[in-house]
Amino acid sequence: NAGVTQTPKFRVLKTGQSMTLLCAQDMNHEYMYWYRQDPGMGLRLIHYSVGEGTTAKGEVPDGYNVSRLKKQNFLLGLESAAPSQTSVYFCASSYSYSYSNQPQHFGDGTRLSIL
Amino acid sequence: EDKVVQSPLSLVVHEGDTVTLNCSYEVTNFRSLLWYKQEKKAPTFLFMLTSSGIEKKSGRLSSILDKKELFSILNITATQTGDSAVYLCAVLMYSGGGADGLTFGKGTHLIIQP
Repeated sequence: NAGVTQTPKFRVLKTGQSMTLLCAQDMNHEYMYWYRQDPGMGLRLIHYSVGEGTTAKGEVPDGYNVSRLKKQNFLLGLESAAPSQTSVYFCASSYSYSYSNQPQHFGDGTRLSIL
Repeated sequence: EDKVVQSPLSLVVHEGDTVTLNCSYEVTNFRSLLWYKQEKKAPTFLFMLTSSGIEKKSGRLSSILDKKELFSILNITATQTGDSAVYLCAVLMYSGGGADGLTFGKGTHLIIQP
């Protein structure tokens, strides 16, 4: 049971570099989310998607872009990485809340350091 | 501004003790409250609470929601070292636009000493 899989697990970037984090889920979930977790701040929502081809901004979207070309994948992009984006990034997915009250399931996270 | 506040932020107890973790919230359009356990990696789901006064129970863990007073508690009885983790409280709100994400508290870091 893979659940939610994030790649890569670790990455070190230099300021100004770009990269894409990949999230894949095999539970046929409609909704997918990207969060970041920083010490003393808890988890904060970056962007989310309610279905293939749709995305929306969360609490802290600046400096990030996302795409959901396939239902099972949700990509998070950093166009020009900044040290303030050093964080642990978590992807999550869930069924549509229109059908049921179901929890979000999380991946193991990507630890990203920007030097 | 929507907020979720957990207390205490950290707690150290001895194995066998009972602990109570608190979560209060001030949000618009409350839908449900969730508890997660986070060890080294992914937060893992514990409970989802939508109705006031109904206790959810799983083994030594239990949780209850008070929608009038806007808080929830998570109880762990007969604690074990494997219960050491960060416990996260999160609130899901109704949104006209679809699925907003969860609003999380900062977590309670629980350490169980042998």
